[in-house]
Amino acid sequence: GAVVSQHPSRVICKSGTSVKIECRSLDFQATTMFWYRQFPKQSLMLMATSNEGSKATYEQGVEKDKFLINHASLTLSTLTVTSAHPEDSSFYICSARGVGGRNQPQHFGDGTRLSIL
Amino acid sequence: QKEVEQNSGPLSVPEGAIASLNCTYSDRVSQSFFWYRQYSGKSPELIMSIYSNGDKEDGRFTAQLNKASQYVSLLIRDSQPSDSATYLCAVNRGDTGFQKLVFGTGTRLLVSP
Repeated sequence: GAVVSQHPSRVICKSGTSVKIECRSLDFQATTMFWYRQFPKQSLMLMATSNEGSKATYEQGVEKDKFLINHASLTLSTLTVTSAHPEDSSFYICSARGVGGRNQPQHFGDGTRLSIL
Repeated sequence: QKEVEQNSGPLSVPEGAIASLNCTYSDRVSQSFFWYRQYSGKSPELIMSIYSNGDKEDGRFTAQLNKASQYVSLLIRDSQPSDSATYLCAVNRGDTGFQKLVFGTGTRLLVSP
């Protein structure tokens, strides 16, 4: 149980391209989804938190106009990196938390490795 | 002071030994605690969750929580080379409606055959 699917797993594209990453909870309803970024040999850094049907809450220092998050349903959230540049190259990971209270664990997708040339 | 602190390691143990991973946290109102395993290049995988003081056992894994000392640990019995990974301690902050997780930097575990 608690499977989270993230797609695509890897993206290589030119600078200036916008990239959309999807995160789906396959066997549970995710009231809250989270987007993280992880640089090599560093820990996970939370970028934003989103609840279904409401605007995402961004962490300090994360540009909301650059990292667009949509959480249109209880099973799908998307992250769009707009006009990506080489410094945006990173490992992006989503997680989802189901219903049942705020102490429910987060379950992670497999991540998307983004490389901007 | 970091919110969640872990020794980065590497922690090296021989196959079959007990690996002990430790984590301290600063927010006294934290209510839930998690251990995730992350293999290199992969995303984190939930290993254990613990919410109340004491021990919680699941197979070869035992999580221990001491809220008074703000300390949580993970014991891995009969360590296997496949357990070699980075173990992330995560704490649910108690002060926000969304209950976001705060992660430690992780402890790298190496289990030698």
